[in-house]
Amino acid sequence: DAKTTQPTSMDCAEGRAANLPCNHSTISGNEYVYWYRQIHSQGPQYIIHGLKNNETNEMASLIITEDRKSSTLILPHATLRDTAVYYCIVRVVDSGGGADGLTFGKGTHLIIQP
Amino acid sequence: NAGVTQTPKFRILKIGQSMTLQCTQDMNHNYMYWYRQDPGMGLKLIYYSVGAGITDKGEVPNGYNVSRSTTEDFPLRLELAAPSQTSVYFCASSWPASGIGNEQFFGPGTRLTVL
Repeated sequence: DAKTTQPTSMDCAEGRAANLPCNHSTISGNEYVYWYRQIHSQGPQYIIHGLKNNETNEMASLIITEDRKSSTLILPHATLRDTAVYYCIVRVVDSGGGADGLTFGKGTHLIIQP
Repeated sequence: NAGVTQTPKFRILKIGQSMTLQCTQDMNHNYMYWYRQDPGMGLKLIYYSVGAGITDKGEVPNGYNVSRSTTEDFPLRLELAAPSQTSVYFCASSWPASGIGNEQFFGPGTRLTVL
């Protein structure tokens, strides 16, 4: 799986959009971009994933650049409960159905300020 | 659905003791995983299973054993506890999702200290 680079920490004001960047310049054509987050002491929580197109769900939006070498996770209206470590993960999902595990880096610690 | 449940929540072991960390999921997922997370670090995969009777090693399997006799349960066994195994252990499960990606559902974790 391709390596990802994320800032160590970021601050965002409550109610504003939080934009979390991720670089994955060695991503391959069959690798998806996944985002998970981990609120203090809890298990990681899936947020969103995408291959080429931008994706949106009830939690967030994922913007992937045209060359797929970087992406941005957007939390549109951040709340204090969004304070967490956010992990950007790149992985192959092949015909085997993604049986291997996720490779977590250190992620970005997002702190939402009141 | 309870999702993924893990027991115990906390445990302190002495060096050389053994224990089993329990993991159960009620979502009928084929795939199950065990990860460990050391302080300030991301999760590392210990073992995974694609179905009952089938298990495989992840990145850091040494010192651990697993079994998968049912779809629901995936226990992790520590035979001779060592201080290096002090960590938080997370179990996860997922559907297979060929070609389209899938999400893993994580349990709340077991915090293990070996003294």
